[in-house]
Amino acid sequence: SSELTQDPAISVALGQTVKITCQGDSLSSYYASWYQQKPGQAPILVKYGKNSRPSGIPDRFSGSSSGNTASLTITGAQAEDEADYYCNSRDSSGMNVVFGGGTKLTVL
Amino acid sequence: QLQLQESGPGLVKPSETLSLTCTVSGGSISRSGHYWGWIRQSPGKGLEWIGSIYYSGSTYYNPSLKSRVTISVDTSKNQFSLKLSSVTAADTTVYYCARHEQYQLLTHFDYWGQGILVTVSS
Repeated sequence: SSELTQDPAISVALGQTVKITCQGDSLSSYYASWYQQKPGQAPILVKYGKNSRPSGIPDRFSGSSSGNTASLTITGAQAEDEADYYCNSRDSSGMNVVFGGGTKLTVL
Repeated sequence: QLQLQESGPGLVKPSETLSLTCTVSGGSISRSGHYWGWIRQSPGKGLEWIGSIYYSGSTYYNPSLKSRVTISVDTSKNQFSLKLSSVTAADTTVYYCARHEQYQLLTHFDYWGQGILVTVSS
């Protein structure tokens, strides 16, 4: 079982804002990173650190954190944002890497 | 632009050892500060970190797989490799290699290979 918990599925209307969350005890100590994965493709890093985005990732993707919960916010969701989203961080010991179970985002 | 490419057999027999190689192009694997990792994903399931290696050769593994996993690096070929022993059908997944940035409070995988499906079957 994962030490990071995500809602299995969430939906958002086109153009609206959606927040995808990730919960875990280790998140009070370590940053979460976030990945977008579309069917048949490798994951793509969309956010890491306090609130950093790799080059090429639209600025509608942003991150935040409070206590043991990290969030990825998509402001003005687009049809192409429909995908699975995974969070990733270290475990409570800080020694290992863990992924959340993933959230399937549907853009209506 | 850094690129990673997994290679290896797509079919492995039960109880045998799965062996995969990741070839890195567009950058040196021995650049200080980077780990190199393996992640897998069962069809329709989530991501599972297998382990990571530093360019110097130091490794750390997922505790749930540690007894069966060996990751090594060949800086002369700009490659790193995964060996997973005593495979079963549960090891049938897509295997990804990725560059692993880990420092201070961060850990993330910023460049990924396209993935390779490995099926365990007799």
